[in-house]
Amino acid sequence: GQQLNQSPQSMFIQEGEDVSMNCTSSSIFNTWLWYKQEPGEGPVLLIALYKAGELTSNGRLTAQFGITRKDSFLNISASIPSDVGIYFCAGRPGGSEKLVFGKGTKLTVNP
Amino acid sequence: DTGVSQDPRHKITKRGQNVTFRCDPISEHNRLYWYRQTLGQGPEFLTYFQNEAQLEKSRLLSDRFSAERPKGSFSTLEIQRTEQGDSAMYLCASSSNLDRVRYEQFFGPGTRLTVL
Repeated sequence: GQQLNQSPQSMFIQEGEDVSMNCTSSSIFNTWLWYKQEPGEGPVLLIALYKAGELTSNGRLTAQFGITRKDSFLNISASIPSDVGIYFCAGRPGGSEKLVFGKGTKLTVNP
Repeated sequence: DTGVSQDPRHKITKRGQNVTFRCDPISEHNRLYWYRQTLGQGPEFLTYFQNEAQLEKSRLLSDRFSAERPKGSFSTLEIQRTEQGDSAMYLCASSSNLDRVRYEQFFGPGTRLTVL
C-alpha cells in the first residue's frame, strides 16, 4: 500500500531556531496536508497544499508541495516552546478520499 | 464549540465485550471519516461516509467493525468481540465537498480504547 516516509523522527532544538521536516513517497498524491498533534488530542490542521509547486505560509509555518507530487516539506521559523508536539504529513491519493499519514516528527523545543 | 466532537473520550473494556463510539461532525460538513491511531504511528484510515452512504472501507475494517451514519449527521463505530489488538485511539474527522478544489479534514479529539 501507499506509505509516506517522514523525517526526521524527532528533533531537539533551542527556542528561536528554525526547523525543517519532510515527507516523501513512491506514489503521487493530489493533496498534501500538515497536522500537529499534542498528547491525548486529535491532529490539528496547519497547512493544506493542492497544486504541485505550491508554497503556502501560515504565520511562522511554510510548506511546499513538491513538483514531482511525491514529496512535501514543512518549515517552522523562530521556534517557540508551544511548537512542541508531533507533526504529521498526510497525502490524499488520486481516486480516494482517504488520507495516508506519515509516522510523525516529534519536536522538542528547549527554552 | 463548532468542532468535531467524539464520545466517550476514554473507554476501558474487557476482551470480548462490544463497544460503540459516537462522532458528531462539524455541522455543515457532509463527509465523515474514521481513523485508528496506535502508539508511535500516524492515523490509519478505516472508512468514510458522504452523507449517509459509506463509500470507502479499508481492509483494516474487519468484520468485527461496523460504522453507520443513518441520517447523514452523527456516526457510530461499533467494535464487536473486542481484542487486545483493538486498543488504540479512534479518531473521527469531517470535511465538506462543496468546494471541489479545497480538501481539508478536521479531526475530533479522539476516543482512547483500552482492551484488557
